[in-house]
Amino acid sequence: EIVLTQSPGTLSLSPGERATLSCRASQSVSGSYLDWYQQRPGQAPRLLIYSASSRATGIPDRFSGSGSGRDFTLTISRLEPEDFAVYYCQQYGDSPLTFGQGTKVEIK
Amino acid sequence: EVQLVESGGGLVKPGGSLRLSCEASGFTFSYTWMTWVRQAPGKGLEWVGRIKSKTDGGTTDYAPPVKGRFAISRDDSKNTLFLQMEGLKTEDTAIYYCKTRLWYAPGSLSGDYWGQGTLVTVSS
Repeated sequence: EIVLTQSPGTLSLSPGERATLSCRASQSVSGSYLDWYQQRPGQAPRLLIYSASSRATGIPDRFSGSGSGRDFTLTISRLEPEDFAVYYCQQYGDSPLTFGQGTKVEIK
Repeated sequence: EVQLVESGGGLVKPGGSLRLSCEASGFTFSYTWMTWVRQAPGKGLEWVGRIKSKTDGGTTDYAPPVKGRFAISRDDSKNTLFLQMEGLKTEDTAIYYCKTRLWYAPGSLSGDYWGQGTLVTVSS
């Protein structure tokens, strides 16, 4: 089973700042099959990025993903008020599929 | 419009059983792989398992904590996904979501869709 470790656990930033979230896998993620999800309180997760760097439909271009192998990054170039939420990475290259434990982006 | 509607959640005693359903509409269900994901109260997301389309073999995969206790099945004639849960434990308490992903071409995602979730509480 691939274990995904996200860091930091919590990121305290102000609107307009840049956010950089990390996801490290215990072994290489096949095909860079890695997603990033955003989850706001009381809502189902929303897909932001798939295949490590492809933006899902309707996702603003301030969200970008990068990485390959074991190390992946989600960058939010300038935080908007609605971006304060919890973010999860998930690998879907190998079964069982696994999620990271999440990074909370909170208002400083 | 793609819709996924879960039902069947509720309160069950440890060791009990429960069957969740997920009714799908707005896409060709029989061609689509379907997945269950859960989230314990105040915790992160946990992949539960998936079922492939019959054209891709119809096979299932499960996360280690539920393997041997949970079973995913589908009724393509009713556009419905099921999660049969046996031997429930208190740590199975969670919101259970069904989800799917649609592709309009290999490597090109059409959409990633989640239901609203159904709460399962395992408690004596």
